[in-house]
Amino acid sequence: ELKVEQNPLFLSMQEGKNYTIYCNYSTTSDRLYWYRQDPGKSLESLFVLLSNGAVKQEGRLMASLDTKARLSTLHITAAVHDLSATYFCAVPLLAGKSTFGDGTTLTVKP
Amino acid sequence: NAGVTQTPKFQVLKTGQSMTLQCAQDMNHNSMYWYRQDPGMGLRLIYYSASEGTTDKGEVPNGYNVSRLNKREFSLRLESAAPSQTSVYFCASSYPGGTEAFFGQGTRLTVV
Repeated sequence: ELKVEQNPLFLSMQEGKNYTIYCNYSTTSDRLYWYRQDPGKSLESLFVLLSNGAVKQEGRLMASLDTKARLSTLHITAAVHDLSATYFCAVPLLAGKSTFGDGTTLTVKP
Repeated sequence: NAGVTQTPKFQVLKTGQSMTLQCAQDMNHNSMYWYRQDPGMGLRLIYYSASEGTTDKGEVPNGYNVSRLNKREFSLRLESAAPSQTSVYFCASSYPGGTEAFFGQGTRLTVV
């Protein structure tokens, strides 16, 4: 059974600070997805990581994938309030279905 | 560009009542999914459909049935609602082969 673990589950940080969210998974996969969910809203795709060593960046967020370590990271640089949301990593299985981590709820304070 | 559309957005049911959640996508995706989201538990897969005419159980299928009506539509039915089925339900779709999923806006279901 595939397990996907995120840590931390809750993260409160000040504006301007840097931090990293970790996503570990228990079985072999060559791809991983990151999603963002605003309170009361749906999930939106943030990053699609398709191979070992993949790195994607958008604004203050950067995601990377190490398939050998079964680890993905989501790095936040100089956080701003607009980044406050819940971030999920997801690992795809057969037929495209994905197993999601429990999410990391990020709160950025002034 | 509608993407994935779910109806209804909100629903309150009494224990034992039945209802169907509707989902339609206009992105020509082959694969469709139903997830439920409970506080602190991420998303759990209820059922999925890899293509028109096929459906398979996910992680938490008990108490639910699904119908893949055509390529666009994938419905989720609760035959006899229970309080444990109080949750937010998301429909999603994707291309086959492990691409990212696109989600509907969700249905907030309360069973009293």
